[in-house]
Amino acid sequence: DQQVKQNSPSLSVQEGRISILNCDYTNSMFDYFLWYKKYPAEGPTFLISISSIKDKNEDGRFTVFLNKSAKHLSLHIVPSQPGDSAVYFCAASPRATGNQFYFGTGTSLTVIP
Amino acid sequence: DVKVTQSSRYLVKRTGEKVFLECVQDMDHENMFWYRQDPGLGLRLIYFSYDVKMKEKGDIPEGYSVSREKKERFSLILESASTNQTSMYLCASSTYSGDSYEQYFGPGTRLTVT
Repeated sequence: DQQVKQNSPSLSVQEGRISILNCDYTNSMFDYFLWYKKYPAEGPTFLISISSIKDKNEDGRFTVFLNKSAKHLSLHIVPSQPGDSAVYFCAASPRATGNQFYFGTGTSLTVIP
Repeated sequence: DVKVTQSSRYLVKRTGEKVFLECVQDMDHENMFWYRQDPGLGLRLIYFSYDVKMKEKGDIPEGYSVSREKKERFSLILESASTNQTSMYLCASSTYSGDSYEQYFGPGTRLTVT
């Protein structure tokens, strides 16, 4: 059973606009969340993380929002650039049990110039 | 610079062959992981290891085994490859520091079993 879900397999956005990628989880024990970016034929690279004691974390153009009551997180990219076109995975971990991560199925983002 | 390397980028094997996928990390990380990535299924954990000679099953260990004889090296073994093991295999390592941890991934091995 998929404990981390990304319900949008793909997303297209115009360059300069905001990209919003969504992720839902079911396990209330998850308290640490990460976003990864993956280009074809490469391994995923870490983008940004958030722990459950926060509801927002920013790093440059990337912001992650966490809504614990809704078990929902989102990644905002502003402004979107063509180089952001990639597959984005969210991942969650129950920190108390070690650092085993559960990944979503990914959202393919295309930023149109 | 953080580095996780995998022995092959592309591999083609025949059904029934024994297959070894090697992963090496140079960051002195305690934890190492093997995932497979399939379209529509995301990354699924096969096995992981918290220390040398230690291993834990992930979500889909059937048909696979692992070996960790040295801290920097984690091997994934397909005892008898089958066509349903055609996939992208990703190795990762991680460590816990302060209040954060993340996994660093290798470039992946695209395995085709014919």
